[in-house]
Amino acid sequence: QVQLQESGPGLVKPSGTLSLTCAVSGGSISSSNWWSWVRQPPGKGLEWIGEIYHSGSTNYNPSLKSRVTISVDKSKNQFSLKLSSVTAADTAVYYCARDPTVTQAFDIWGQGTMVTVSS
Amino acid sequence: EIVLTQSPGTLSLSPGERATLSCRASQSVSSSYLAWYQQKPGQAPRLLIYGASSRATGIPDRFSGSGSGTDFTLTISRLEPEDFAVYYCQQYGSSPPFTFGGGTKVEIK
Repeated sequence: QVQLQESGPGLVKPSGTLSLTCAVSGGSISSSNWWSWVRQPPGKGLEWIGEIYHSGSTNYNPSLKSRVTISVDKSKNQFSLKLSSVTAADTAVYYCARDPTVTQAFDIWGQGTMVTVSS
Repeated sequence: EIVLTQSPGTLSLSPGERATLSCRASQSVSSSYLAWYQQKPGQAPRLLIYGASSRATGIPDRFSGSGSGTDFTLTISRLEPEDFAVYYCQQYGSSPPFTFGGGTKVEIK
């Protein structure tokens, strides 16, 4: 079965760039799915960041669009998130998730990785 | 942006009782694209319901979803101990494509 695993630094300095990767195992990233990033600040709700298709097509949350880049590496079966100019408000657990084109619901999630923005 | 408002914020119930959770949208949502998730502390969300009423793989039939337009409901027919958690609704539609509700916590009374 498909599994997702996030990786990346757990601590980022203010004004820096947050970089995370999501490795897809048990299936191909080139299947008929979009691949998303979702975050959750401590004690708060869920916020969708953006998504990518294996063709490279992307959609971003307008509230973050100016700072977000999502890319895909089909050779490594993974996709990545970059969030620039981070502040303490970007401190959150970051999840990668799969959203099939048919359902547009997130049916498989990574375990999540906590990223803290602090000097 | 479509805003999803979940109510109540907290639901205090006993095992065996019925739970009814509400998700109201600021604009009409396609029933095909309304989903519900369960999240336990320290865990990723788990998809329960998609398309407003279809159970995801492996989800027990005590979980059911209903609704259309702007009003949707998640019902847990008889609460099991493992059902006490936070529940989120989510819609897919206009910009941004995905939004989540603020969540309903189901706690043990």
